[in-house]
Amino acid sequence: GQQLNQSPQSMFIQEGEDVSMNCTSSSIFNTWLWYKQDPGEGPVLLIALYKAGELTSNGRLTAQFGITRKDSFLNISASIPSDVGIYFCAGQQGGGSQGNLIFGKGTKLSVKP
Amino acid sequence: NAGVTQTPKFRVLKTGQSMTLLCAQDMNHEYMYWYRQDPGMGLRLIHYSVGEGTTAKGEVPDGYNVSRLKKQNFLLGLESAAPSQTSVYFCASSYSSFQGYTFGSGTRLTVV
Repeated sequence: GQQLNQSPQSMFIQEGEDVSMNCTSSSIFNTWLWYKQDPGEGPVLLIALYKAGELTSNGRLTAQFGITRKDSFLNISASIPSDVGIYFCAGQQGGGSQGNLIFGKGTKLSVKP
Repeated sequence: NAGVTQTPKFRVLKTGQSMTLLCAQDMNHEYMYWYRQDPGMGLRLIHYSVGEGTTAKGEVPDGYNVSRLKKQNFLLGLESAAPSQTSVYFCASSYSSFQGYTFGSGTRLTVV
C-alpha cells in the first residue's frame, strides 16, 4: 500500500529549541494532517492542510503543504516539556477508499528541561 | 461531550479466545475506523465503515471482523486471538471522508 516516509524517527532536544519534522511520499495527496499522541492516549489533530503551498499555524506550531503535494512539514517553535509525544503525519488522496488516511510511522519528540 | 469512547481499555486474552471491542461516538459521524498501532509501524487501518450497516476492509483485516448495526457504534471482533494480535487498538470517527479523524483513547490488548 501507499507509504508516508516521516523523519526523523526521534528527536531529543533542549527546552526552548525549535523543532522541524517532515513527511514525504512518492504519491500526490490532496490533504495533509498532523496529529500528536500523548503517552497512553489517542492521536489528536493539530493542523489540517487542504491546498498545495498552504501554510497554517496553531500557536507555536506551523505546518506547510508542499508545493509538489508530495510532502508536508511541521515546525514547533520554542519547545516546552509538554510538547513531548509522538507526532504523526497523515495524508489523504481523495474520496471513497482513497479518502482513508494513510499515516506516517511517527516522530518521537523528547524535550529536556 | 464524550467524543469517541472505547471499551475496554485493557484486556489480556489467551490464544484462541474471542472478544469484541466496542467503539461509541456521540458526534453523529458517518465514518468510523479501527486502527492498530504497533511499535515502529505507525497506525494501520484494519476495517472501516462509511455509514450504518456498511463495512469495508482496510490494510490489515485478516483475523478481525466488524459490525456497524447502529450509526454510533462500531464493533471490532477477534474470533480466535493470536499473539500477533497483541497491539493497541484505536477507533476513530469523522463526519466526512475529507475531514480529520477524532480518535478514542485506545484499547491495549495482550494475547498470551
